[in-house]
Amino acid sequence: DTAVSQTPKYLVTQMGNDKSIKCEQNLGHDTMYWYKQDSKKFLKIMFSYNNKELIINETVPNRFSPKSPDKAHLNLHINSLELGDSAVYFCASSFKGDQPQHFGDGTRLSIL
Amino acid sequence: EDKVVQSPLSLVVHEGDTVTLNCSYEVTNFRSLLWYKQEKKAPTFLFMLTSSGIEKKSGRLSSILDKKELFSILNITATQTGDSAVYLCAVQPNTGNQFYFGTGTSLTVIP
Repeated sequence: DTAVSQTPKYLVTQMGNDKSIKCEQNLGHDTMYWYKQDSKKFLKIMFSYNNKELIINETVPNRFSPKSPDKAHLNLHINSLELGDSAVYFCASSFKGDQPQHFGDGTRLSIL
Repeated sequence: EDKVVQSPLSLVVHEGDTVTLNCSYEVTNFRSLLWYKQEKKAPTFLFMLTSSGIEKKSGRLSSILDKKELFSILNITATQTGDSAVYLCAVQPNTGNQFYFGTGTSLTVIP
């Protein structure tokens, strides 16, 4: 019954590795997002995506790439992980791009 | 550069107190301001404000927007320990799907 679900909940890996985080929403929403939340609880949008448009925050390194196999899924792939990538990553969705978002429970990524 | 500033950064109160959380913003072509509550995991939506002077209310929580002075407040009356959380303010401009979040206010309610 979870509206926005992310896997895994925790991800511990070494610098230089490539990893993916999966996100699925069962709300029938058209728009999905990825956010990064740092240790100070600051949430920063990384991507927003609907069937027609991918909007990338220009500050996001190109090591991060969103992949959407269909409207209900938006996965996040990260290449060559760095120490500064350690954070909690939240997936979210909304009915349209100007509506409130429903967030997943987050994936805590720790880079060793 | 667009930005959102929340104050105070943290707040400790006793049960039954009333608190006011502040959010000021500088955003080009404002569309909406949203409040979220974040406990241990996912932020959960509280209010979305688009018009000045119209109070949104849900139980003991209420919020209002001032588009002239570019700020919003979130009020919580008769606080309970379950109100302990980080309260996040986000602002959306009129273009694209961008949302700018503040750093949040951490509220702790002591029994």
